[in-house]
Amino acid sequence: RKEVEQDPGPFNVPEGATVAFNCTYSNSASQSFFWYRQDCRKEPKLLMSVYSSGNEDGRFTAQLNRASQYISLLIRDSKLSDSATYLCVVASFYNTDKLIFGTGTRLQVFP
Amino acid sequence: EADIYQTPRYLVIGTGKKITLECSQTMGHDKMYWYQQDPGMELHLIHYSYGVNSTEKGDLSSESTVSRIRTEHFPLTLESARPSHTSQYLCASSDLAGSAYNEQFFGPGTRLTVL
Repeated sequence: RKEVEQDPGPFNVPEGATVAFNCTYSNSASQSFFWYRQDCRKEPKLLMSVYSSGNEDGRFTAQLNRASQYISLLIRDSKLSDSATYLCVVASFYNTDKLIFGTGTRLQVFP
Repeated sequence: EADIYQTPRYLVIGTGKKITLECSQTMGHDKMYWYQQDPGMELHLIHYSYGVNSTEKGDLSSESTVSRIRTEHFPLTLESARPSHTSQYLCASSDLAGSAYNEQFFGPGTRLTVL
C-alpha cells in the first residue's frame, strides 16, 4: 500500500465549478501536510500547507482529518488557470525533511 | 520565483556514458534534495543533503551518487548510464527559515533519456 494515496482523476470541470480532491495517508503519526501544484512537464510548487484546524487561501480550502488520516483540497470558482495536477504531500514522521508525494490528481477546467 | 537551476534541461545519451546533472541554488539554503519522477508517477527522493559535506540516500534506491562541496551546488552523477535510468530528475532546496514550514523549492528538472 502506498503511503499517500490519491484519486488520479482526471477531474474535468467547467469554469466556475467547485471541485474537491481527497487524499489518504498511512502513517498515523505524520505531522505535516501540504498540497503542491504541478503543471504539465513543470516542477512542483507549494500551493498551501494544511493545518489541523483547516485553512483557507483565497479560493482554496484545505482540511485535515487526523482520525480518518484524510486530507482534502477544495477549489471554489474554478479558473482555466487552475488546470494542473495537485499533489498531496506528507512529511515523513521519522524525518520531517523527507516529503512523501502522492501520484497527484489531475484537474482540467474547461470553458 | 525560486532561484534554483538545473542543467542540462534535456539530455539524450548512450548506454555506458558517465553523466553529471547540475543543480545550483542562490537562496543560501542548507538543505538540498534530488527526486526522480516518471510520467504520471509520484516523486521519489533519491538523495538529500543537510549542508556542505553531508549526503544521505533517500527512500528510492539509486545507482547515482551526489556530492556537496559548496552550499549552492549539489550535482548528481551516474557513472554508467543505462536505459533504466531514463526519467525526470528534479532538484529541490529548503530552509528552516523559509516562508512555509518545510517548503521545498524545485528546479525545472532534467529529462534524461538513455538509449
